[in-house]
Amino acid sequence: KAGVTQTPRYLIKTRGQQVTLSCSPISGHRSVSWYQQTPGQGLQFLFEYFSETQRNKGNFPGRFSGRQFSNSRSEMNVSTLELGDSALYLCASSRDRNTGELFFGEGSRLTVL
Amino acid sequence: DQQVKQNSPSLSVQEGRISILNCDYTNSMFDYFLWYKKYPAEGPTFLISISSIKDKNEDGRFTVFLNKSAKHLSLHIVPSQPGDSAVYFCAATESGGGYQKVTFGTGTKLQVIP
Repeated sequence: KAGVTQTPRYLIKTRGQQVTLSCSPISGHRSVSWYQQTPGQGLQFLFEYFSETQRNKGNFPGRFSGRQFSNSRSEMNVSTLELGDSALYLCASSRDRNTGELFFGEGSRLTVL
Repeated sequence: DQQVKQNSPSLSVQEGRISILNCDYTNSMFDYFLWYKKYPAEGPTFLISISSIKDKNEDGRFTVFLNKSAKHLSLHIVPSQPGDSAVYFCAATESGGGYQKVTFGTGTKLQVIP
């Protein structure tokens, strides 16, 4: 059974640019969540999508957005990139919404110069 | 506002001994707690969980204890093995968010010395 797949794995952008990250959840999983990991801050919750609808949202500015498609695949977008957006962005999926047991991808490492 | 806190950034333990990782939380609405393990260059993987209606859950070498009055949970690994060396994240969630808005601590890096 294929795991959560994230693309791209690594990318470098400059300030002011925008970036789109993609996530394919495990087959049959309908909930997709996104997290930002930075040194010293742990994993910060960005948002969660279920059945193409945003169900939960973390405390991030509006520059961070996402969406989910009918096949449960998800994308997140960060516009007007800032240096502080450099981080590992992790996508996680789960079959249902009855527990917090998440299956994570390997992440997309974003560097903003 | 760090609602889940892991005050020890690192921990070193001899192989075969017990590893105890601690975690404190502040949000009384949390009703489900989890531990995740993360190796370098990999995403976190779920390790063990506990519902707020229990005070202990055991899975092989791993046991999680929950003290609701103290808002404290701990993960015990016995015996510790070199392969357990990783970063461990404590996490908490609540039914109000469909258990999907998971709040993580900052992690504890465990090193098991052979």
